[in-house]
Amino acid sequence: DAGVIQSPRHEVTEMGQEVTLRCKPISGHDYLFWYRQTMMRGLELLIYFNNNVPIDDSGMPEDRFSAKMPNASFSTLKIQPSEPRDSAVYFCASNPGAGNEQFFGPGTRLTVL
Amino acid sequence: SQQGEEDPQALSIQEGENATMNCSYKTSINNLQWYRQNSGRGLVHLILIRSNEREKHSGRLRVTLDTSKKSSSLLITASRAADTASYFCATDENSGYALNFGKGTSLLVTP
Repeated sequence: DAGVIQSPRHEVTEMGQEVTLRCKPISGHDYLFWYRQTMMRGLELLIYFNNNVPIDDSGMPEDRFSAKMPNASFSTLKIQPSEPRDSAVYFCASNPGAGNEQFFGPGTRLTVL
Repeated sequence: SQQGEEDPQALSIQEGENATMNCSYKTSINNLQWYRQNSGRGLVHLILIRSNEREKHSGRLRVTLDTSKKSSSLLITASRAADTASYFCATDENSGYALNFGKGTSLLVTP
């Protein structure tokens, strides 16, 4: 398996633009997680899915953020409109079930100018 | 919310020395995990220790867990330059699903 795949790896956009980050989890993993990492706040859980259903989105910072998982092999995290404070590295991770290690993608480095 | 807090924030040692990092957490857990992150990369799982375990080994890694003190330690023996990375502990806060990460310990191993 290729592991968790994220695209794009780098994204530079201007304030106000829509940003869409993509993730393909490892096949057979029932859980998918979106995290954001910044120097100030560290690694924060934004939302996670179980069998394509959002379970906990309490970490989503505000309504500008939305996430979907239309099928077991694809998820998106959308920011609309983007702001400079959204600049961070966004990670997607998956695992086969509770109590197991999480497998992280390489991350998307987002810069909002 | 962050649960795990690593200590120290930064650690610099020479190759061959041992490195010890500590993690404290606040609530009951099912398990505690340690991850490594090389600069500019994603996190890589190192070891998982369950709440009913006290010590676990994996190669040069040794993890201890003291649930009465709500703390864990990661020991890397005979460190190598390739061990240079940030190390994070993560806890599950009894949910068993989502993980809460600390801010990590930045380890520098010099030749």
